[in-house]
Amino acid sequence: NAGVTQTPKFQVLKTGQSMTLQCAQDMNHEYMSWYRQDPGMGLRLIHYSVGAGITDQGEVPNGYNVSRSTTEDFPLRLLSAAPSQTSVYFCASSYLIRDRGVTEAFFGQGTRLTVV
Amino acid sequence: SQELEQSPQSLIVQEGKNLTINCTSSKTLYGLYWYKQKYGEGLIFLMMLQKGGEEKSHEKITAKLDEKKQQSSLHITASQPSHAGIYLCGAGNAGGTSYGKLTFGQGTILTVHP
Repeated sequence: NAGVTQTPKFQVLKTGQSMTLQCAQDMNHEYMSWYRQDPGMGLRLIHYSVGAGITDQGEVPNGYNVSRSTTEDFPLRLLSAAPSQTSVYFCASSYLIRDRGVTEAFFGQGTRLTVV
Repeated sequence: SQELEQSPQSLIVQEGKNLTINCTSSKTLYGLYWYKQKYGEGLIFLMMLQKGGEEKSHEKITAKLDEKKQQSSLHITASQPSHAGIYLCGAGNAGGTSYGKLTFGQGTILTVHP
């Protein structure tokens, strides 16, 4: 039972490079989301998806693209890395607890990204 | 948009001491989540509170959502070094419209000295 799997765990990029952070879940959850964590700022939502083919922006979407071609995968693409994108990135998958009207979220282990 | 403020931002206690972390919301809370994070690792779900006045416990950790549903407290009894880490509160939007989107507080860093 893998849950939410993120790869890679660590990455160093040069300014201007592009890369994709991978996220996969095996729980058949409808919702997936990407957050970044910076010191003193908690986690901030980058993009989210409510199902395959449907994505939307979160609080801090600039510089990032996402797509959701399958229920299982939700990759995050950095188009042209900048030092301001140095952060820890977390992917989460969620499902709605219908009789309670709230969602339960499961997080991956995180990807620590440094842009130099 | 909803904002969550955690206090204190950091806490250093001696092993065996009790402690409380607070999470205050700018809006009514619909589903308040507490997570723990150890350095370099992911978030570990602790508990979720939904109803005003609800209180839940897990081992030596107790969390409560106040009646007005705008503040939650996390209390650790007889702290141990294993309790050290970052505690984060998160909140979803009303009902099923949150789509798994959570707003988080800035986190409280807990250090427990043996």
